[in-house]
Amino acid sequence: EAGVTQSPTHLIKTRGQQVTLRCSPISGHTSVYWYQQALGLGLQFLLWYDEGEERNRGNFPPRFSGRQFPNYSSELNVNALELEDSALYLCASSLGRTENQPQHFGDGTRLSIL
Amino acid sequence: EDQVTQSPEALRLQEGESSSLNCSYTVSGLRGLFWYRQDPGKGPEFLFTLYSAGEEKEKERLKATLTKKESFLHITAPKPEDSATYLCAAGSGANSKLTFGKGITLSVRP
Repeated sequence: EAGVTQSPTHLIKTRGQQVTLRCSPISGHTSVYWYQQALGLGLQFLLWYDEGEERNRGNFPPRFSGRQFPNYSSELNVNALELEDSALYLCASSLGRTENQPQHFGDGTRLSIL
Repeated sequence: EDQVTQSPEALRLQEGESSSLNCSYTVSGLRGLFWYRQDPGKGPEFLFTLYSAGEEKEKERLKATLTKKESFLHITAPKPEDSATYLCAAGSGANSKLTFGKGITLSVRP
């Protein structure tokens, strides 16, 4: 069974640019989550999508946004990049909206802002 | 606000030296306590879910336990391949959000 896949694996951008990260969930999973893992801060919850709808978002500014497609894959968009956006962006998926189902993670996209 | 605290930040063990990793949580309406393992350059790998106080789960050299305020990950006779960062996360409410601790970096020397 293929796991969660994310692309690209690495990305270098400059301040003010925009970036799109992509995620394909495990087959059969309908919920997709995005997390930011910055150095020394641990994983911070960004967004949760289920059945094409945004269900919850963390304490991040509106320039962080995303969407989920009919095939349950997802994109995370970050506009007006800032230096502090440098981090590992992790996508996870789970079976539906059951609150206590484990989330399974991809290997992330490493974003560096110069 | 939900909070998860892990201790110690780092732990160095000799191969075969058993120990425990601590995860303290303050969460309104715990829906599950999750343990993950993360290797450098990789995403977190799911290990266990615990749902209620008193529950225990085991996998090879790892055993996870849960109380009303804490969870422990016990490592029995660790091997160098157990070296990794271990993350604990609490799920609360109906919003599927996980609150993660900062992780414990475990190094096991041969």
